[in-house]
Amino acid sequence: IAGITQAPTSQILAAGRRMTLRCTQDMRHNAMYWYRQDLGLGLRLIHYSNTAGTTGKGEVPDGYSVSRANTDDFPLTLASAVPSQTSVYFCASSPQSGRFDEQFFGPGTRLTVL
Amino acid sequence: TQLLEQSPQFLSIQEGENLTVYCNSSSVFSSLQWYRQEPGEGPVLLVTVVTGGEVKKLKRLTFQFGDARKDSSLHITAAQPGDTGLYLCAGGELTGGGNKLTFGTGTQLKVEL
Repeated sequence: IAGITQAPTSQILAAGRRMTLRCTQDMRHNAMYWYRQDLGLGLRLIHYSNTAGTTGKGEVPDGYSVSRANTDDFPLTLASAVPSQTSVYFCASSPQSGRFDEQFFGPGTRLTVL
Repeated sequence: TQLLEQSPQFLSIQEGENLTVYCNSSSVFSSLQWYRQEPGEGPVLLVTVVTGGEVKKLKRLTFQFGDARKDSSLHITAAQPGDTGLYLCAGGELTGGGNKLTFGTGTQLKVEL
């Protein structure tokens, strides 16, 4: 069982370029999340999806967009990357089967915007 | 936005020592989770506490949820090098869509021989 896979593992990107970070889960979880992790700030929620076909904004959504066409995939797009989007990005999922669900995380994508 | 402050931010100790990590907020949470993250990997759940005053033990790790469900602590007894990692608390809020988590700022622990 792969769990959650993310691609690419790392990327260096020129400012102004468009970039899509990929996330796929094979656990048939209803909910999926995108976080960014920066030193001293912990994990901050960018966007989330409670079920296929729906998305919502998290704490830091500006400059990012998501889509949830099916249960398994939840891509994150940076339309025009800026240096402040340099971070490590984590995708997560949870079953949404109970009140206190655990979130399962992918290995992360390290993104550098120059 | 609810904030969860963790302290200390960094902790370097010798093998065999005890330590406590704190997670504090001014907001009430329906649950509190602790995750551990190792370099190059995503966080992995250690425990979930849901009742004010609840204490859970996981081998040498003891987790406590504050009576008012605003804070939590993680105590490690006789730390080992394998405990090294980033510890993250996460407060849960029950919403129409499920359990939304707000993560703390993290505590980086290094246990040396």
